[in-house]
Amino acid sequence: AQRVTQPEKLLSVFKGAPVELKCNYSYSGSPELFWYVQYSRQRLQLLLRHISRESIKGFTADLNKGETSFHLKKPFAQEEDSAMYYCALSGGNSGGSNYKLTFGKGTLLTVNP
Amino acid sequence: EAGVAQSPRYKIIEKRQSVAFWCNPISGHATLYWYQQILGQGPKLLIQFQNNGVVDDSQLPKDRFSAERLKGVDSTLKIQPAKLEDSAVYLCASSLGPGTGNTEAFFGQGTRLTVV
Repeated sequence: AQRVTQPEKLLSVFKGAPVELKCNYSYSGSPELFWYVQYSRQRLQLLLRHISRESIKGFTADLNKGETSFHLKKPFAQEEDSAMYYCALSGGNSGGSNYKLTFGKGTLLTVNP
Repeated sequence: EAGVAQSPRYKIIEKRQSVAFWCNPISGHATLYWYQQILGQGPKLLIQFQNNGVVDDSQLPKDRFSAERLKGVDSTLKIQPAKLEDSAVYLCASSLGPGTGNTEAFFGQGTRLTVV
């Protein structure tokens, strides 16, 4: 079974402060991890995925297989980063039932001026 | 490219009535997902299709929910009869599919269902 845990429902920081949104997962194989974001009144969209190893809007996330974590980080938060963030897991690219995309419950990030 | 289209955007029904949602995925996307998102929670996968076959429907309440994806393109999700706890946003998403090297899921705007 695959499971994604986001321990923080709410996270509030001030503009310019570092931010870290936590994500832990449970999966027996080699997962593919994602961060999705939903801004106010917009549809859910991909922010970044671990296989790309890229920084999007200043956000990065590193897959730590030892700790089964995929925390999202940004060194200096901006007000426009305020949104709902979801960590998601897919059981790889090989197809079959492991391919399903499972989401965590989300963390609402508020960046205060 | 055109995004994932869903209709209707909003629906209010009485309990025990039936309702259907429609989804048109991005052209060429083999994988289609239906999620239920209850207020304050993350999206919960109801059913996932690969072309017109079911990959996973382990969390679909099959006594009242049904979904189909005819010809591997559009999909409909039906609830019959609806219960109060079915009030949620129903999200449809699509992706290219496994083996393509791109597993990004694109989401529709969702259908907000209120059961009264």
